[in-house]
Amino acid sequence: DQQVKQNSPSLSVQEGRISILNCDYTNSMFDYFLWYKKYPAEGPTFLISISSIKDKNEDGRFTVFLNKSAKHLSLHIVPSQPGDSAVYFCAAREPGNTPLVFGKGTRLSVIA
Amino acid sequence: NAGVMQNPRHLVRRRGQEARLRCSPMKGHSHVYWYRQLPEEGLKFMVYLQKENIIDESGMPKERFSAEFPKEGPSILRIQQVVRGDSAAYFCASSLGGTPYEQYFGPGTRLTVT
Repeated sequence: DQQVKQNSPSLSVQEGRISILNCDYTNSMFDYFLWYKKYPAEGPTFLISISSIKDKNEDGRFTVFLNKSAKHLSLHIVPSQPGDSAVYFCAAREPGNTPLVFGKGTRLSVIA
Repeated sequence: NAGVMQNPRHLVRRRGQEARLRCSPMKGHSHVYWYRQLPEEGLKFMVYLQKENIIDESGMPKERFSAEFPKEGPSILRIQQVVRGDSAAYFCASSLGGTPYEQYFGPGTRLTVT
């Protein structure tokens, strides 16, 4: 039973355009959401996070939006760059010292 | 300031052998998490440890798997009598504390069981 779902296994975007990666969750206890980026043969790298008390968090080219009523979050990257090509994982956690629950990832390819 | 270190990066074991995976957290971090990634899957939580204590092992298989984080030295994930299904990438993450601190990941150990 997947609590965090990334329904698009892959996404291709042209350089300079916006990349939108989506994530849905089923566990209403989740109160903190994170995006990680992963290159081949490397560990995931933390990108951006959002608490459930917010609906938007922005950091440079990266913005995460949270829609609690729809149990949906999205990561926007604008403008997209070839170096953004990687697998992006959405993760969530319940309050307290709880482990992260990951989605299966979306492979983003930014084409020059 | 070194990040999370894992070794070995690649490990090949025959069925029935033991695998030992090591994780040195970032300096100052006392919380360690182990995750496993199977091909085409996301990362799945295995175990959460603080120094000398297992806090949550709900993701750990009941048999053959164990983990420790001693007072001195790295955290160790041990898999006894490995089987082909144990072949995966094993990632360790560390954090300064629990919520809301971020978890920082090591490069992973890719275990292949032949």
